[in-house]
Amino acid sequence: AQSVTQLDSQVPVFEEAPVELRCNYSSSVSVYLFWYVQYPNQGLQLLLKYLSGSTLVESINGFEAEFNKSQTSFHLRKPSVHISDTAEYFCAVSEAGAGSYQLTFGKGTKLSVIP
Amino acid sequence: DTGVSQDPRHKITKRGQNVTFRCDPISEHNRLYWYRQTLGQGPEFLTYFQNEAQLEKSRLLSDRFSAERPKGSFSTLEIQRTEQGDSAMYLCASSFPDRTEAFFGQGTRLTVV
Repeated sequence: AQSVTQLDSQVPVFEEAPVELRCNYSSSVSVYLFWYVQYPNQGLQLLLKYLSGSTLVESINGFEAEFNKSQTSFHLRKPSVHISDTAEYFCAVSEAGAGSYQLTFGKGTKLSVIP
Repeated sequence: DTGVSQDPRHKITKRGQNVTFRCDPISEHNRLYWYRQTLGQGPEFLTYFQNEAQLEKSRLLSDRFSAERPKGSFSTLEIQRTEQGDSAMYLCASSFPDRTEAFFGQGTRLTVV
């Protein structure tokens, strides 16, 4: 079984400031790692994922996350946030190679970007 | 491709009533997942289908819950004898079987009064 801990339930940050949303996971097997974003009144959307290879993965809108196996972390970062980044962000894992790809989610972090 | 569609978007029901939700996945997606999200929590896995076969069910899925995907296209999730603890957002997602990315619908928000 896997578990995901998102250490911050809410993160306020000023526009154009950097942000880091923290995610730690626990698993006895290899995992795939994901960040999903949920904008107000919308469904979950995949932001980025780590399956294998380079431990640094990037999204098309400037977010990046780094897989750190020794620290069992997959923190999400953006060097300069915009108002439009205001949303709830969920870290998730699935068991690598299990076939079902069912996701185990953290509780989410609400990012509020302040003008 | 209009994405994953869920109906209804909102449902208010009295305790003890039965409710049924529908999910239409992205066409040609073989896999369909149901998740439940309660206030302040992340989504929790309930069950998934590959085509019409229900391959896995969570322990969260009590015997009052039943899900079907009769023709391998749309799916229904029924809750019998609803309880206040069933109040949650019910999310549906779909994917290709060999892909890790799941596409989520906007969910059905159930309120049991």
